Formats: sequence, structure tokens, C-alpha cells
Amino acid sequence: EPEVTQTPSHQVTQMGQEVILRCVPISNHLYFYWYRQILGQKVEFLVSFYNNEISEKSEIFDDQFSVERPDGSNFTLKIRSTKLEDSAMYFCASRSTQGLDEETQYFGPGTRLLVL
Amino acid sequence: AQSVTQPDIHITVSEGASLELRCNYSYGATPYLFWYVQSPGQGLQLLLKYFSGDTLVQGIKGFEAEFKRSQSSFNLRKPSVHWSDAAEYFCAVGARGGSYIPTFGRGTSLIVHP
Repeated sequence: EPEVTQTPSHQVTQMGQEVILRCVPISNHLYFYWYRQILGQKVEFLVSFYNNEISEKSEIFDDQFSVERPDGSNFTLKIRSTKLEDSAMYFCASRSTQGLDEETQYFGPGTRLLVL
Repeated sequence: AQSVTQPDIHITVSEGASLELRCNYSYGATPYLFWYVQSPGQGLQLLLKYFSGDTLVQGIKGFEAEFKRSQSSFNLRKPSVHWSDAAEYFCAVGARGGSYIPTFGRGTSLIVHP
């Protein structure tokens, strides 16, 4: 069964450093998403991406964040200058735009980011 | 805007016992409803979803959920819990005709005693 994959599974970085989190969505999906989950808290929406542009973003997704689809398979989240409060699990998700499964997002296993 | 309440932060059951995890939502129309499970160190796995039709939906791993419009609820059930069901369970609601971005509840942590 096709699945969303994410790399790395864990990342430790120093405050102020840039990090890039990578995702490979399911191959025929066209909508891509990033979410984060701070330890012990809700899963929160960050951004959605369709047709090579951001379609929606939350107030969390400020100028420190950016997303990119650099090629036909990868979808990345960049944090330019990490802060301690960026420590969280980051989930990528994708969904199809067709058929009975149109409304369902499929999530990757997550990248646990720790900012020191 | 839609919202989800999972009133139980932790639930403890014995292996083999039945399980019900509660979920209440707030949304002006009939929403899309989901249950996801997150095992320790793992990502979110879709257990089941409700879009329309039969209000009792069957999912993977022997789980089912019932949509009750009058109670704005979408409770998750399993008749006999296995130790491997110990995980975090998230209810989510998505708006129809929108961007399909689900709003998640805080989650319920299921502990299974042998």
C-alpha cells in the first residue's frame, strides 16, 4: 500500500540554525500538508500546498517557515532560524483530489525536531 | 470554525474488555469525521472515517464508530481490546466544501492492562 515517507525521523539542531524536513507524498496525490505536534498537545495545521503554491496557511506558519516542491516527488518544510519552541513532531500529509478518497489525508510517520 | 472535544485524556482498560472513546464536535453542518491512531513513536494512521450514509462505520483493527447528529458525537468503539491497541487516539473533524483540513482533538491516551 502506498504511504507517505519522511526523513529524517529525528533531528537535533542548535537554536538559530536552519533545518529542512523532507517528505515524499503518495505518488498520485496533489495536495500536500505540514502539521506539527508539540509534545503533549494537539496536532496543529501549518500549511497546505497545491499546484506549486501555498493554498492555505495557519498563523503559526510565519516568515520563518517555507515550503517547496523541488522536484516531482519531494515536499520540504524549511525553518530558517529555529527557536526552542519549534521543538515538535512535524507531520507531512497528502491527499488525492479524485474519487471516494478525496477528503482523506494520509500522514507520514513524522520527524521529531529538537532545538537546543 | 469547527472544533473537537475529546473529554477523556486517559482511558485504562483491561485486555479483552470493551472500549469506547468519546468525541464531540462543533460544526454548523454535517462534517467529515475521522479517527486516527498514533502508536508510540509512530505517525498518524487512519482508523476510520465518516462522510455520509450509514452512521455506523467500520474501520481497521476491529474498530467502529457511530455518528450521532443529535449528540454531535462520533464515539469510537471496540468490543475486545488487545494490548497492541495501547496508543494515542485522535478524533478529527473536517469541513465540507472547504480545504479538507481536519481539526484535531487533544487526543485520548489508551492504556491496556494485561
